[in-house]
Amino acid sequence: EPEVTQTPSHQVTQMGQEVILRCVPISNHLYFYWYRQILGQKVEFLVSFYNNEISEKSEIFDDQFSVERPDGSNFTLKIRSTKLEDSAMYFCASKLVLGGYTFGSGTRLTVV
Amino acid sequence: QKEVEQDPGPLSVPEGAIVSLNCTYSNSAFQYFMWYRQYSRKGPELLMYTYSSGNKEDGRFTAQVDKSSKYISLFIRDSQPSDSATYLCAMVRDNTDKLIFGTGTRLQVFP
Repeated sequence: EPEVTQTPSHQVTQMGQEVILRCVPISNHLYFYWYRQILGQKVEFLVSFYNNEISEKSEIFDDQFSVERPDGSNFTLKIRSTKLEDSAMYFCASKLVLGGYTFGSGTRLTVV
Repeated sequence: QKEVEQDPGPLSVPEGAIVSLNCTYSNSAFQYFMWYRQYSRKGPELLMYTYSSGNKEDGRFTAQVDKSSKYISLFIRDSQPSDSATYLCAMVRDNTDKLIFGTGTRLQVFP
């Protein structure tokens, strides 16, 4: 069964450093997303991406965040200057057109 | 009032029981409804996707949507210890692409 692949599974970074989280969505999917889940809290939407541009973003997704689809397969989330409160599980998801969203296993980001 | 409400549990049932998980929502603009299963420190796994009122069955899982009451349910028949996980409801409004999740219900199925 096709799956969304995320790397790394765990990233530890120092406050103020830049991190890039990587995702390979399902190959024929057209819509791409990033969500995050702070420990013990619910899954929250960050951003959606379609046709090489951001289609929607949340209040969380401020100027410190950016997304990119540098080639036909990868989809990345960059956090420019990490803060302690950015520590969370980050999930990439993709969708064909209609139907459910397929999530990856996540990257656990720990900011120290 | 929260957009999506879900009892966090935990819900503890014996193996073989029928499990009922529920969510309520406040905004009638929600049109598409999903149930996900999430194991600890893993990504949400899609179980069911529905967009109309009524029932949808897939194996041991039945999803039910009542748009008039703004209420959705997931039923699990013949529950197994491997069903022990957190179950998340999620929904999307018609003119957006943003999934709104419930807080999740933690289910424990004991042998």
